Amino acid sequence: DAGVTQSPTHLIKTRGQQVTLRCSPKSGHDTVSWYQQALGQGPQFIFQYYEEEERQRGNFPDRFSGHQFPNYSSELNVNALLLGDSALYLCASSLVVAGEALAKNIQYFGAGTRLSVL
Amino acid sequence: DAKTTQPTSMDCAEGRAANLPCNHSTISGNEYVYWYRQIHSQGPQYIIHGLKNNETNEMASLIITEDRKSSTLILPHATLRDTAVYYCIVKAHNFNKFYFGSGTKLNVKP
Repeated sequence: DAGVTQSPTHLIKTRGQQVTLRCSPKSGHDTVSWYQQALGQGPQFIFQYYEEEERQRGNFPDRFSGHQFPNYSSELNVNALLLGDSALYLCASSLVVAGEALAKNIQYFGAGTRLSVL
Repeated sequence: DAKTTQPTSMDCAEGRAANLPCNHSTISGNEYVYWYRQIHSQGPQYIIHGLKNNETNEMASLIITEDRKSSTLILPHATLRDTAVYYCIVKAHNFNKFYFGSGTKLNVKP
């Protein structure tokens, strides 16, 4: 049973460019969340997709956008890259269970995509 | 979400129990306590979570105080592979996202 997979593992871009990161959730999961982790810090929540819609969003500018496909996989897009966007981008998947508190929802993380902006 | 406070770093001898404390004094009655760990350059790994009662699984035990204002993650027999940053997170009832703090860097030494 494959876990959460992310691609690519590493990426180098220059300022002003655009980037797309991809995530395949764990088998059976329907929700994908994206996090940004700067060096030496804990992950920061970007947004979450469920039923192909953005459901929750953290404090990130609209340069950060995403998409969820019918097979539950997801993409994270970042436009007009800044040096400060250099980070490890993590995808986490989970399964929403009807009638169950969202707080009980365990998220499983992928290994991440390391983005370097030069 | 309630804030958590963890020590910046801890040391533990290999084979001994590692007890990692977490303070969450502003936790609400319907908020869960989660623990994740992150080994260098990997994604966070789920360890355990709980609401009120103590919990145990194959990885660890979670002890939550009766007033729920603090908790302790216990790794019963730490190995060198347990060296990682451990995050204690309080998750709100109606939110499906995590706010990570800085965590505790656990150093397991031979």
